[in-house]
Amino acid sequence: DAGITQSPRYKITETGRQVTLMCHQTWSHSYMFWYRQDLGHGLRLIYYSAAADITDKGEVPDGYVVSRSKTENFPLTLESATRSQTSVYFCASSESRRGTDTQYFGPGTRLTVL
Amino acid sequence: EDQVTQSPEALRLQEGESSSLNCSYTVSGLRGLFWYRQDPGKGPEFLFTLYSAGEEKEKERLKATLTKKESFLHITAPKPEDSATYLCAVQRLDGYSGGGADGLTFGKGTHLIIQP
Repeated sequence: DAGITQSPRYKITETGRQVTLMCHQTWSHSYMFWYRQDLGHGLRLIYYSAAADITDKGEVPDGYVVSRSKTENFPLTLESATRSQTSVYFCASSESRRGTDTQYFGPGTRLTVL
Repeated sequence: EDQVTQSPEALRLQEGESSSLNCSYTVSGLRGLFWYRQDPGKGPEFLFTLYSAGEEKEKERLKATLTKKESFLHITAPKPEDSATYLCAVQRLDGYSGGGADGLTFGKGTHLIIQP
């Protein structure tokens, strides 16, 4: 039971480059989420998706793009990375909004933008 | 705007010394309050969900309780392996939370260290 996986686990990039973080879940959960975790801020929601081809903004969406063509995948793209996007990124999934609302998290991707 | 405040920020206990972590929240309508455990370099691990005031849940040495304004995570006779950061999060009843319809609003966490 693989659950939810993220890749890469670590990434170093330069300002202005495009970066894509991958998230894959094997539970067939409807909902998927992207959060970032920064010291002093806790976890903050970037984007989420209720189903394939349905996405919506969270608290801090600027500078990020998401897509969801398949239920199991939810990639997060930084179109032009900035130093302020240096963070640890977590993907999460949940079965449904009105059923089991518990969100299960992946192991995270530590991104450094130089 | 939903707010979650956790206290203390850090707590150091001796093995076997029981204590409680606090999570105060402000939300227009609460769908659920969640407790997670996070170990260094790992993702949050789900512990409990509480839905209404008066509800309690237990798991091994942990017990979570909920009132209309706060939640407590009680740790009884902790062991060194209980050392972690404990995160509290809320989800709003109408589905809107911190800018995302189904997202969670997290506190900054309590860093707990249990010394042998």
